[in-house]
Amino acid sequence: DQQVKQNSPSLSVQEGRISILNCDYTNSMFDYFLWYKKYPAEGPTFLISISSIKDKNEDGRFTVFLNKSAKHLSLHIVPSQPGDSAVYFCAAVNQAGTALIFGKGTTLSVSS
Amino acid sequence: GAGVSQSPSNKVTEKGKDVELRCDPISGHTALYWYRQRLGQGLEFLIYFQGNSAPDKSGLPSDRFSAERTGESVSTLTIQRTQQEDSAVYLCASSPTRAWETQYFGPGTRLLVL
Repeated sequence: DQQVKQNSPSLSVQEGRISILNCDYTNSMFDYFLWYKKYPAEGPTFLISISSIKDKNEDGRFTVFLNKSAKHLSLHIVPSQPGDSAVYFCAAVNQAGTALIFGKGTTLSVSS
Repeated sequence: GAGVSQSPSNKVTEKGKDVELRCDPISGHTALYWYRQRLGQGLEFLIYFQGNSAPDKSGLPSDRFSAERTGESVSTLTIQRTQQEDSAVYLCASSPTRAWETQYFGPGTRLLVL
């Protein structure tokens, strides 16, 4: 069973517009979440994180929102740029705090 | 500076053979993780090393999988008697602390078991 779900395998957005990537989780005990970005033939790179004591964290063009009651988080990229085209993974720290549980990823394509 | 490196970048093997995958972490990083990503799936945690402590092997899918790390240096992931379902990209990551944000991933080894 997937504990972290990214239900949209792909998303296409025009340059300058907002990209919204969604992630749902099943375990209400998860309290720390991260987003990673991955280019082809490279390992994932850390993008932004959020703790369950917050509902929003912002870093430049990237904002992560957390809705604990809905067990849902989203990554907003504004404005989107062609260089943002990549696979985005949502991850949660497991209950034991020992490992990350990843979603399947969403491929974002930003067209110019 | 040098990032996390992994070798080989690609490996094709026949079912039943053993394979060994190598990870060179960033110098000074005490924590090292192995993950795998099967086609269409997210990354699955396999094993975690922290300094000289006993590794967390809770993610290893079967006893055909094992990993070693000497001190804070190179790690090897060994898969014995490979099966087709072992085909995946195997990713290594290292970090200087347990902080998840400082976890740097290598490019991965793409393993194909025929």
